[in-house]
Amino acid sequence: GAVVSQHPSRVICKSGTSVKIECRSLDFQATTMFWYRQFPKQSLMLMATSNEGSKATYEQGVEKDKFLINHASLTLSTLTVTSAHPEDSSFYICSAHLTGGGRNEKLFFGSGTQLSVL
Amino acid sequence: GENVEQHPSTLSVQEGDSAVIKCTYSDSASNYFPWYKQELGKRPQLIIDIRSNVGEKKDQRIAVTLNKTAKHFSLHITETQPEDSAVYFCAASNPFSGGYNKLIFGAGTRLAVHP
Repeated sequence: GAVVSQHPSRVICKSGTSVKIECRSLDFQATTMFWYRQFPKQSLMLMATSNEGSKATYEQGVEKDKFLINHASLTLSTLTVTSAHPEDSSFYICSAHLTGGGRNEKLFFGSGTQLSVL
Repeated sequence: GENVEQHPSTLSVQEGDSAVIKCTYSDSASNYFPWYKQELGKRPQLIIDIRSNVGEKKDQRIAVTLNKTAKHFSLHITETQPEDSAVYFCAASNPFSGGYNKLIFGAGTRLAVHP
C-alpha cells in the first residue's frame, strides 16, 4: 500500500518554542491531508484539513494561529505548533489520500509524532 | 456535523471467543464507514470498511454490518487471538462534507484477548 512518512516521531521541547512536524506521501500525490491529535487513551480528533496550494480548513475550536499548516506541494504538509505549552503535549498524526481517488480511495496514516512540552 | 459514538470502551474476551464493537452515527448523509486497529504508539491500520450500498462485508475473521435506517454499524471479530488485542476505532465520513476521507472517529474500544 501507499506510504505516508511523518517526522519527527518524537520531540521534546521547552515551553514557548515552536515545533514543526512534516507529513510526506512517499509514492503518491495527495492534494488533501488531514491532521489529528490524540491524547492518551483517547480518540483521534480532527484538527484541520490541509489543501495543497490553499489555506487549511480548521475544525471548530482549533486555533489556526497556533497550529500553522502549510501544504506547499502535492507530497508534503507541515504542522507547526507555535509557542508550545505543556497542554499541547499530545500525539499528532497526519493522513493522506490519493489524488483523484474516487470511491475506491483509501486513507493512509503517518506514523505519528509524540510531542512533549516541558 | 457528524458525531460517532462507540461502545464498549473496553472489552475483554477469552481467546477463541467472538468480539463485537458497535458504533452509531448522527449524519444520515454519511456513507463510508471504516474500522481501524491501533496498537500503542503506532499508526491506525485500516482493517475493514463498508460503504452504504451494502449491508455486510466479511474478510476472514472480521466482518462489518451496517444498518442505515438505525444509523449504526458493528465490527465482529470471530475466533479472537491474543494478537487481536489493540484499540479499535470506528469512523464515518460524509462525501458531501469534506470528502470520503474526512473521517470522524469514535472514542475507541480497547480489546484485550486473554489466552
